[in-house]
Amino acid sequence: GDSVTQMEGPVTLSEEAFLTINCTYTATGYPSLFWYVQYPGEGLQLLLKATKADDKGSNKGFEATYRKETTSFHLEKGSVQVSDSAVYFCALTTGRRALTFGSGTRLQVQP
Amino acid sequence: DAGVIQSPRHEVTEMGQEVTLRCKPISGHDYLFWYRQTMMRGLELLIYFNNNVPIDDSGMPEDRFSAKMPNASFSTLKIQPSEPRDSAVYFCASSTTGTGRNNEQFFGPGTRLTVL
Repeated sequence: GDSVTQMEGPVTLSEEAFLTINCTYTATGYPSLFWYVQYPGEGLQLLLKATKADDKGSNKGFEATYRKETTSFHLEKGSVQVSDSAVYFCALTTGRRALTFGSGTRLQVQP
Repeated sequence: DAGVIQSPRHEVTEMGQEVTLRCKPISGHDYLFWYRQTMMRGLELLIYFNNNVPIDDSGMPEDRFSAKMPNASFSTLKIQPSEPRDSAVYFCASSTTGTGRNNEQFFGPGTRLTVL
């Protein structure tokens, strides 16, 4: 079946540091890939997505590139802010429509 | 648009009681999903509907759980009887098959359920 593996958290960074959160996947078929973000006490929000190989999703300074050869979709940001502190979920979907989520990675950014 | 609406936001109940969680999807969305989030198991799909019809309920943990979608603007998730291990945050999400919205799901704020 489909699965998503994310790096363990928490990830603790200082403001303006570079962020990478690793995500790899296994899927039957050709998945669409997503990063969702969950701020404390809130539901999940779509951060970015990519629907085919070599696509780059980007939003709010975050980027992730769909790498079919390495089955990866790593999230990056060049300079994090305190307001980026949240839990980040990598997810995929195939023809099934429902999302398969990774376990989530908590990011803590210190001033 | 108000987004996906869930109620209640918090529910505390005693073991054995019936619990009903409610969801109003975004108007015009034809898919509705129920997820459960726990520390141990992360985010799990429980069930999803398309045009009010249940499509996949393989994630529903056992017969104590049931979900309905009587119309396009309302869904319920019921647990009867509830058990302490049902304590979790339950999310509802909706999406549309409309062009350009490829599988993007919009999540509600969740219902935090505590079963004592």
